[in-house]
Amino acid sequence: QKEVEQNSGPLSVPEGAIASLNCTYSDRVSQSFFWYRQYSGKSPELIMSIYSNGDKEDGRFTAQLNKASQYVSLLIRDSQPSDSATYLCAVNFGGSARQLTFGSGTQLTVLP
Amino acid sequence: DTEVTQTPKHLVMGMTNKKSLKCEQHMGHRAMYWYKQKAKKPPELMFVYSYEKLSINESVPSRFSPECPNSSLLNLHLHALQPEDSALYLCASSQVRDSNQPQHFGDGTRLSIL
Repeated sequence: QKEVEQNSGPLSVPEGAIASLNCTYSDRVSQSFFWYRQYSGKSPELIMSIYSNGDKEDGRFTAQLNKASQYVSLLIRDSQPSDSATYLCAVNFGGSARQLTFGSGTQLTVLP
Repeated sequence: DTEVTQTPKHLVMGMTNKKSLKCEQHMGHRAMYWYKQKAKKPPELMFVYSYEKLSINESVPSRFSPECPNSSLLNLHLHALQPEDSALYLCASSQVRDSNQPQHFGDGTRLSIL
């Protein structure tokens, strides 16, 4: 069974702080990794894709991937109340039936 | 605004009704997906279409019937649904099925079964 694990939270950080969201996955041959943001009652919105080890930065967001440790994280710098949402980690496992597997999501609240 | 458009945004139906959910994308994607999402849970894959052909059915009950009329359109026909089928139904698309490219979601249809 290929699995994606996230801390379900809730995670609360003060405005302006760094929010750190973590995700582990079970399959070493996984190829691609995504972070989606989902506001309450809305659909998932892609915010980051990462494919190789290391860091990838996009504005206030940084995704970090460590394939040896089977670990992917999302850092949100200078957190804003508008960042309050559920963040879904999704992994595209390798193999003939390559599909997205989602973690359970981490609910983030940024306190003004 | 998303590039995957779903209609209707909300749907209330009785258990004996027949209705359809529609999804459209104009990104040239050749893989399209239906997901079901219950509150505080991640999206759960239902169906995958690749080049307009059904390639994955995740053991979904037959009261849900997908259809892909062309490369831009995806429908989900609903009949004799149960109250537990009330959920957010999400359509997504990606360039092709077996690729590393991400899936892009529509805004979803909020379905309530009376």
